[in-house]
Amino acid sequence: GAVVSQHPSRVICKSGTSVKIECRSLDFQATTMFWYRQFPKQSLMLMATSNEGSKATYEQGVEKDKFLINHASLTLSTLTVTSAHPEDSSFYICSALAGGGNNQPQHFGDGTRLSIL
Amino acid sequence: AQKITQTQPGMFVQEKEAVTLDCTYDTSDPSYGLFWYKQPSSGEMIFLIYQGSYDQQNATEGRYSLNFQKARKSANLVISASQLGDSAMYFCAMRGAIQGAQKLVFGQGTRLTINP
Repeated sequence: GAVVSQHPSRVICKSGTSVKIECRSLDFQATTMFWYRQFPKQSLMLMATSNEGSKATYEQGVEKDKFLINHASLTLSTLTVTSAHPEDSSFYICSALAGGGNNQPQHFGDGTRLSIL
Repeated sequence: AQKITQTQPGMFVQEKEAVTLDCTYDTSDPSYGLFWYKQPSSGEMIFLIYQGSYDQQNATEGRYSLNFQKARKSANLVISASQLGDSAMYFCAMRGAIQGAQKLVFGQGTRLTINP
């Protein structure tokens, strides 16, 4: 149980393109999803917390107009990297919480490797 | 603020040996949860084990166990009988009940390499 699907797994596109990444909870409802960015050989950096039916909460230093997050249903959150540039190239990974309680782990998608040429 | 520290950038262990990955944390929350995740080279994050701050016993999950020392604020992961497939990055993470509830704070990670 608690499977999170992330799509696409890899994107290569030209500078200036907008890229949408989907994160779906397949067998549970997730009121809260998270978006992380990971640079090579580094830890995960939380970008934003996505709450179903409300605006996402962005971490300090993350441009909300650059990284648009939509959490329109209890099973889907999307991250759109608008007008992507080479510096946006990175590994993006989402996670979802299956329920309340401090003991509930975040379940992660398989990540998206984004390469901007 | 919450903080997780993993002081071992890399660990090299012989197959079948046990290995301990260190994790120390800092928080002012009276209630918190500690998690360990494994990240293979393919990138996915695999949940391994959880320890609650009020749990009386150390958590165990198969070959994984957590050496939780609350007074020392440490939550070391112990992998017994290591296997080649255990080679990966390992992240320790913490979630508080009050500060940034639901958010996970991750450590820097430890790259574990199991040698045949």
